[in-house]
Amino acid sequence: ELKVEQNPLFLSMQEGKNYTIYCNYSTTSDRLYWYRQDPGKSLESLFVLLSNGAVKQEGRLMASLDTKARLSTLHITAAVHDLSATYFCAGQYPGTASKLTFGTGTRLQVTL
Amino acid sequence: GAVVSQHPSWVICKSGTSVKIECRSLDFQATTMFWYRQFPKQSLMLMATSNEGSKATYEQGVEKDKFLINHASLTLSTLTVTSAHPEDSSFYICSASRGAGFLGFNEQFFGPGTRLTVL
Repeated sequence: ELKVEQNPLFLSMQEGKNYTIYCNYSTTSDRLYWYRQDPGKSLESLFVLLSNGAVKQEGRLMASLDTKARLSTLHITAAVHDLSATYFCAGQYPGTASKLTFGTGTRLQVTL
Repeated sequence: GAVVSQHPSWVICKSGTSVKIECRSLDFQATTMFWYRQFPKQSLMLMATSNEGSKATYEQGVEKDKFLINHASLTLSTLTVTSAHPEDSSFYICSASRGAGFLGFNEQFFGPGTRLTVL
């Protein structure tokens, strides 16, 4: 059974600072997703990482995947207040009918 | 593309009544749909997986008779919370997938969620 752990659970950071959210998973996960959730809203897809060494960037967010280390990271560069949200990673692997296993989530608060 | 809608977006009901939530894939055929439940400040918990025309597969600990799931067409799945009680109050999110795909799995696309409050 795939297990996904995220840390930190809560992150308070100042605008302009950099930080990384970590996502570890227990077994082979051929796809790794990152989502953003604003309060009271559903999930917004950020990144889909398909293979080892994959790196994707969108604005101030960059996600990477290391399948050998079973680790994905979401790096935030020069944070701005608009990035305040909860971020989830989720793993997926074949034979599970597209089932996703979610991490615990990281609540990011960017202060002015 | 890949838009999923949910209706209603929020609902308040009295204890003991049943509530139906609809999940629709608007621009693609969803072979598989998923229902999640989310409590405040927690992650998403998968309740069940449904394939069109088949019975839903429920996760361990989820009461089948309490949460009735129907996936009658490739674009519609419904979740009915029967005899709702205050502890059923939660945020319910559905997602839809085009199916397993040639790799054996496929991306899920999420609906906007339904907030259920049971008084």
